[in-house]
Amino acid sequence: EAGVAQSPRYKIIEKRQSVAFWCNPISGHATLYWYQQILGQGPKLLIQFQNNGVVDDSQLPKDRFSAERLKGVDSTLKIQPAKLEDSAVYLCASSLSSGSYEQYFGPGTRLTVT
Amino acid sequence: AQSVTQLDSHVSVSEGTPVLLRCNYSSSYSPSLFWYVQHPNKGLQLLLKYTSAATLVKGINGFEAEFKKSETSFHLTKPSAHMSDAAEYFCVVFYSGGYQKVTFGTGTKLQVIP
Repeated sequence: EAGVAQSPRYKIIEKRQSVAFWCNPISGHATLYWYQQILGQGPKLLIQFQNNGVVDDSQLPKDRFSAERLKGVDSTLKIQPAKLEDSAVYLCASSLSSGSYEQYFGPGTRLTVT
Repeated sequence: AQSVTQLDSHVSVSEGTPVLLRCNYSSSYSPSLFWYVQHPNKGLQLLLKYTSAATLVKGINGFEAEFKKSETSFHLTKPSAHMSDAAEYFCVVFYSGGYQKVTFGTGTKLQVIP
């Protein structure tokens, strides 16, 4: 089966610019996660969707980050405006459902903010 | 509130010797626990998971972990390290009491010396 797809793989922007990341989960997976992984740290959950509804967005900096999952399939994560501290790898993962199901991770998008 | 602590940021072992990566968790309710591995420039992959069945869990590549409720621990072990085990390992706790929350540990980088 096809894995979780993410694009772009790399992005370099200047601070105060905006950027968007795209994720296509594994077909049939109801739950989608976005994580931020800063160099040397573990992934931090930003937002979790169950179908097209938000389950948890408690760690999403809502003043600059937004995410949507149209029709319960693809998802987009946006940062506007970007700050230097947003430099990180943004990981998308999906699972069959929420709960104790295995998460399948995409390759990530490495964002550098200069 | 839930949290997960990986006690060692770096572990170095010689090839052929045992591996022990330590993880302690804090959760108000019985959690589900996972170990994921991240090889350099590769995506996160599930090693094994505990979801309230057998306390000794066997995973891929010869790894196993034991859930010890009295010690709130979920340490990862392997009898004999292989060079290909060099990677970063993340302990993950999932809590579903009332709402669903997934938390990654900060990671342990395993170095295998030939």
